[in-house]
Amino acid sequence: DVKVTQSSRYLVKRTGEKVFLECVQDMDHENMFWYRQDPGLGLRLIYFSYDVKMKEKGDIPEGYSVSREKKERFSLILESASTNQTSMYLCASSPGDSYEQYFGPGTRLTVT
Amino acid sequence: QKEVEQNSGPLSVPEGAIASLNCTYSDRGSQSFFWYRQYSGKSPELIMFIYSNGDKEDGRFTAQLNKASQYVSLLIRDSQPSDSATYLCAVNPVGDYKLSFGAGTTVTVRA
Repeated sequence: DVKVTQSSRYLVKRTGEKVFLECVQDMDHENMFWYRQDPGLGLRLIYFSYDVKMKEKGDIPEGYSVSREKKERFSLILESASTNQTSMYLCASSPGDSYEQYFGPGTRLTVT
Repeated sequence: QKEVEQNSGPLSVPEGAIASLNCTYSDRGSQSFFWYRQYSGKSPELIMFIYSNGDKEDGRFTAQLNKASQYVSLLIRDSQPSDSATYLCAVNPVGDYKLSFGAGTTVTVRA
């Protein structure tokens, strides 16, 4: 079974803090993705990576950055957290030769 | 026009009935189609994928694809209360690593 893990299930941070969300997959997948999901807005892609050290902006990259130093690990960074970044953050991975994505359990981030 | 459109629901069906969920997409070149189930507070879980026109069955789930009409559907037979969830349709646009997700259809199976 594909396993995608995320570093925290729940996280509470203060406005202005730097926040790191980490995602690890164990299936040697080439592609990794970060989404946020908010009620009424659905899944929105923040960033994705199709190879180590490669990244591409998704639909809502503002206020976020990413890092992929190893194939299995994809980190999302909130440089200076703001209250409008309170959300459920979902990481996913997919193989290089097909497109189905497998999601981690999610991190519910609250910024106060 | 949104890339992937679904009826938001809620779709309420009695236990044992068939739940029918619909999804349309705008990119005619799309090749891969997926259905995810998402329970409240949980992450999406892949339940079906379909690449060719026609029907694909897996247990109580049947995915149907009609590329000419740009339409994909999911049927849940013998619906159970445990099927109560939001179902997301996802489409892989041609030449892209990414998936385009619909907003989801919420299904409630009443006992």
